[in-house]
Amino acid sequence: DVKVTQSSRYLVKRTGEKVFLECVQDMDHENMFWYRQDPGLGLRLIYFSYDVKMKEKGDIPEGYSVSREKKERFSLILESASTNQTSMYLCASSLVAGSTDTQYFGPGTRLTVL
Amino acid sequence: KQEVTQIPAALSVPEGENLVLNCSFTDSAIYNLQWFRQDPGKGLTSLLLIQSSQREQTSGRLNASLDKSSGRSTLYIAASQPGDSATYLCAVAGANNLFFGTGTRLTVIP
Repeated sequence: DVKVTQSSRYLVKRTGEKVFLECVQDMDHENMFWYRQDPGLGLRLIYFSYDVKMKEKGDIPEGYSVSREKKERFSLILESASTNQTSMYLCASSLVAGSTDTQYFGPGTRLTVL
Repeated sequence: KQEVTQIPAALSVPEGENLVLNCSFTDSAIYNLQWFRQDPGKGLTSLLLIQSSQREQTSGRLNASLDKSSGRSTLYIAASQPGDSATYLCAVAGANNLFFGTGTRLTVIP
């Protein structure tokens, strides 16, 4: 079974802090994704990566950056957290390039920024 | 930009009923359509993936159909059970992106 893990289930940070969200997948998948999920807005893509050291902006990249130094690990970075970044963050991975393959999701990190 | 709509937002049915969840999308140029299940506070679990060239996919009590020309998909759940209670999300695949609906929250009453 594919396993996607996220470093924290719940996180509370203060405005202005630098925040790191980590995601690890164990199935040698090429693609990794970061989404945020908000009530009434659904899931929105922040960034994705189709290879090590490669990254592409999604629909809402502002205020975020990412890092993929190893194939299995994809990090989401909030350079200076703000209250409007309070959300559920979901990481996903898929085997082949593009979005045509099934995506496997982690359990999510609920981030609260005070 | 692709827009995905799911109606209704919430649905309650008694156990044992067959039910249909609806998904519509605005741009028919899609690679595939995927249905996911999300339990409260959890991540998403993939249920079915229908390629753009297919009309339907089945897995156990679940059957998903796709009509690209009309921009619609349905998820049929047969003989519903309380364990089916969850939020069901559909997502439409573009070249590099999945576009998600906001989901239908299903409650199956014992």
